[in-house]
Amino acid sequence: NAGVMQNPRHLVRRRGQEARLRCSPMKGHSHVYWYRQLPEEGLKFMVYLQKENIIDESGMPKERFSAEFPKEGPSILRIQQVVRGDSAAYFCASSPSVAQANYGYTFGSGTRLTVV
Amino acid sequence: GQSLEQPSEVTAVEGAIVQINCTYQTSGFYGLSWYQQHDGGAPTFLSYNALDGLEETGRFSSFLSRSDSYGYLLLQELQMKDSASYFCAVRGGTGFQKLVFGTGTRLLVSP
Repeated sequence: NAGVMQNPRHLVRRRGQEARLRCSPMKGHSHVYWYRQLPEEGLKFMVYLQKENIIDESGMPKERFSAEFPKEGPSILRIQQVVRGDSAAYFCASSPSVAQANYGYTFGSGTRLTVV
Repeated sequence: GQSLEQPSEVTAVEGAIVQINCTYQTSGFYGLSWYQQHDGGAPTFLSYNALDGLEETGRFSSFLSRSDSYGYLLLQELQMKDSASYFCAVRGGTGFQKLVFGTGTRLLVSP
């Protein structure tokens, strides 16, 4: 049973380009959460999605960032016109339900975005 | 909203016991979780406390006092591989549907 799969592991983009980060949750998990982690800092919540629905996007910057979790396929975190401050590790986590999230999110290995 | 405070760094030697504290503020409480993250790695779930008291899982134990809004992670018989960052977390946000993480404690274990 594969875990949470994120790709790419490393992504380098020039300022102004677009970054697309993909996350396939664990089989049977319908809840996906995206977190951002700056070097030497904690995990900052960005967005929580269920299939075809954004449930909570309170942590998403108002501009340039968007997320989706289509009926088929992985969840996508999209960053348009990247700037150096977007350089960070982006982690995706999944859980089978909100209640079961108490018993542990399963995190992917993350995508390390570097903007040059 | 929710806020969690942890010490930024703790150091200890192999074989020792270390306690990592976490104090939290939240309008609704659905338990306290702990995660471990090695440098460059993904966070991994360690433990969850919904009720007061101590939960033991091998060398790791976690404690919760809801009246004090306080918990701790206890690591015994420390090993070098325990050097990592440790995060406490509570549920938060609208409907308390997401995990809000503390700032993290970096544990350095020396020989």
